[in-house]
Order: sequence, then structure tokens, then C-alpha cells
Amino acid sequence: AQTVTQSQPEMSVQEAETVTLSCTYDTSESDYYLFWYKQPPSRQMILVIRQEAYKQQNATENRFSVNFQKAAKSFSLKISDSQLGDAAMYFCAYRSYDTSGTYKYIFGTGTRLKVLA
Amino acid sequence: NAGVTQTPKFRVLKTGQSMTLLCAQDMNHEYMYWYRQDPGMGLRLIHYSVGEGTTAKGEVPDGYNVSRLKKQNFLLGLESAAPSQTSVYFCASRTPRNEQYFGPGTRLTVT
Repeated sequence: AQTVTQSQPEMSVQEAETVTLSCTYDTSESDYYLFWYKQPPSRQMILVIRQEAYKQQNATENRFSVNFQKAAKSFSLKISDSQLGDAAMYFCAYRSYDTSGTYKYIFGTGTRLKVLA
Repeated sequence: NAGVTQTPKFRVLKTGQSMTLLCAQDMNHEYMYWYRQDPGMGLRLIHYSVGEGTTAKGEVPDGYNVSRLKKQNFLLGLESAAPSQTSVYFCASRTPRNEQYFGPGTRLTVT
């Protein structure tokens, strides 16, 4: 079964600095999707960035980028020029394809990011 | 475009009571999901639906039932609530590109 591991329960970063959140996963699939979601105190889950495993190029969305290492099964999120509004829980997620032919999603336990003014 | 909405936002139940959580999406998505989120844990999938009239079990389905009578609605039912079902419940729908959009969540407390 696929698993997603976020080994950093909490991280802190100074405003305007750069921070990297780690995520590793385990799978025997060759084609899959990976995601980072943000959950601010409002609890709304918001998609930050997605990566298709078949693409070698790392995904980028404005100040957010990923370092996708397929062989190492690593998918880290880099936040540049951190802003106070980036403070939230960040979840890494993997899309699995089960034997019934349906896609399901597996989430890590989250990393709480604090942004210090 | 409201996206994904959930009703109610908060609810307190006594053990043994029943209730239904409603999820609605206006994005014409085929796939819809119900998750629960407990402290210190990631989201866990309860049930999901790949289209109108279809449902399937996820990772933690026991104690819950679902129905998808209309494409835009996905209902989650608790027939006999237990304290272990105290949680925050999230509904989501997804695009053909596998991007999930989540509702704001329902905080359920079972006493």
C-alpha cells in the first residue's frame, strides 16, 4: 500500500526567507500524481501545487516550487519570500490507483509552518 | 460559482443519534469524496463516489453511509453516532486533472 510521510511536524521561517517542507512516499506505481495542500486556520484546504510523476520538470506556482526526486521518492515544497499569510498546515498527498480502477488520495500527517515577523 | 459547500458547519450529537452531512458542488465534477480529519493525523478517506448513483468505501468506512442521488450532491450519514466519530469532516470534488477542491469542513462532536 502507498504511504506518505511528513517527518517535520512543525517548521518556522522568518518573513521574506525561504523554507523547504519535506515529504517522502512509498509506492510501486510508475505513474502517479503528487500534491501539496495548504490548510490555514480557517480549515479550508487549498491546493498549492501538483506534480505529475511522468514529468521530469519540477512544478512551480509563483513563490511555491517542488523538488521532485522520483527515484528517491521525495517531494519537497519550497516556499520563497515567505509571507505571514503562508502560515498554515501543509499536507503532502499522493493519488493512488486501486484495483477497482478508481483514484484515491493518501495524505501525510502535515507540517505546521509558522512565519515569524 | 460557490465551489464546494458543506452543511452544517458545526453539530453536536448525543451517542446513538443520527444525522446527515450534505456536500454540494457546482463544478460538474464526477468524483466526490468524504474525509475525516483527526488531530495529529492526515485526512482519511471515508467514502467516495465516481459518479451519480455510485459509491464506494474508502479507508475508514465503518459507521458511515453515503448516497449520491444527484451529481452535485454527496451525502454522508451517521446512523448511530459514537464518540469515536468526533472529528472534522471534509468533502471534496475533483477535476479531470486530479485536483481536489475542498469544502470548508463540518466540526462534529459526539458526546
